[in-house]
Amino acid sequence: AQSVAQPEDQVNVAEGNPLTVKCTYSVSGNPYLFWYVQYPNRGLQFLLKYITGDNLVKGSYGFEAEFNKSQTSFHLKKPSALVSDSALYFCAVRDAGNDMRFGAGTRLTVKP
Amino acid sequence: NAGVTQTPKFQVLKTGQSMTLQCAQDMNHEYMSWYRQDPGMGLRLIHYSVGAGITDQGEVPNGYNVSRSTTEDFPLRLLSAAPSQTSVYFCASSLTSGSGDEQYFGPGTRLTVT
Repeated sequence: AQSVAQPEDQVNVAEGNPLTVKCTYSVSGNPYLFWYVQYPNRGLQFLLKYITGDNLVKGSYGFEAEFNKSQTSFHLKKPSALVSDSALYFCAVRDAGNDMRFGAGTRLTVKP
Repeated sequence: NAGVTQTPKFQVLKTGQSMTLQCAQDMNHEYMSWYRQDPGMGLRLIHYSVGAGITDQGEVPNGYNVSRSTTEDFPLRLLSAAPSQTSVYFCASSLTSGSGDEQYFGPGTRLTVT
């Protein structure tokens, strides 16, 4: 079965600095990769996805993610972090089936 | 559109009680799913449905039942609640069951079993 690893429980960055939230995956076929964000006491919101094509995917709120097949990674990035980006971020993977697997989540804190 | 709605927002049950968590979507989505979220474990899939009348088990189905009689509704039933079912439950939907479709999530139900 497919799986996702988010190696960092917590990421701290200063406002204005670039941020990266890491994700690696394991699937038997072609991966369908997703990033979601969760604000306190809310459901998950979709940020971006990789299906096929360009390895750099752009999404909502200035976020982007880079798909790297050789490293089986799909890291989330933003050039300049905002305090309002502080939240819990989840990477998810789906293969050709219906089962979407989520990582354990990374808590991003952006300090002023 | 209201999107994905869930009721109730909070619930406290005693061990052995049963209840139904409600989920509805007004986007005419084919695919609906239930997840539970536990600290440090991310979201785990309980059950899913690819259309009315069709359901299947996910990663952690034991202790839960589902049915899908209409496109809009996908209730989750706890038959005999256990403390291990204390969690936050999210319902989600996507346009199709295609692997590339993103899911839309409801606001969640926080369940405590004592």
